[in-house]
Amino acid sequence: DVKVTQSSRYLVKRTGEKVFLECVQDMDHENMFWYRQDPGLGLRLIYFSYDVKMKEKGDIPEGYSVSREKKERFSLILESASTNQTSMYLCASRDTEPSYEQYFGPGTRLTVT
Amino acid sequence: DQQVKQNSPSLSVQEGRISILNCDYTNSMFDYFLWYKKYPAEGPTFLISISSIKDKNEDGRFTVFLNKSAKHLSLHIVPSQPGDSAVYFCAGRNYGGSQGNLIFGKGTKLSVKP
Repeated sequence: DVKVTQSSRYLVKRTGEKVFLECVQDMDHENMFWYRQDPGLGLRLIYFSYDVKMKEKGDIPEGYSVSREKKERFSLILESASTNQTSMYLCASRDTEPSYEQYFGPGTRLTVT
Repeated sequence: DQQVKQNSPSLSVQEGRISILNCDYTNSMFDYFLWYKKYPAEGPTFLISISSIKDKNEDGRFTVFLNKSAKHLSLHIVPSQPGDSAVYFCAGRNYGGSQGNLIFGKGTKLSVKP
């Protein structure tokens, strides 16, 4: 069974704080993804990575950065958290193509006050 | 430009009846379509997929139908159960585009009433 874990289920941070969200997968997958989910907006891709130290911007990268120093770990960084970054953050991983299924972690509910 | 559209934000169905969730797409390059189910405070879980060369795929109570000419797919759940109450996301995969990333719709919230 593929397992994707996220460091926190719930997080409360103050405006301006630097926030780290960690994601670890145990299936040796090449590809990892960060999404945010907001009501009525679905899943929006923030960043993805197809290899160690490689990263690509998704649809909404502004205000975020990522780090992938090891294959199994993909971190999302909010350099200076703002209230509009209050959201559910979801990490996912996927094997190399032609595989298409993404496996999601349980999510981190981040509240920025 | 929304490549995957789920035009119904919510759907309410009686237990035991059929639930039909719809999805439209615009990208002719999608080679696979997937449905994910998401409960509150949990990550999405894969439900069922269909290749673009098929028109139907069935797995237990879940069947996905694909109409390529209409660029439309639907998920049928028969019979619906209260435990099916969740948000359902439709996604398309463009093989060879953007490292084969999935493009998700905005989701449909299904409520199955006992």
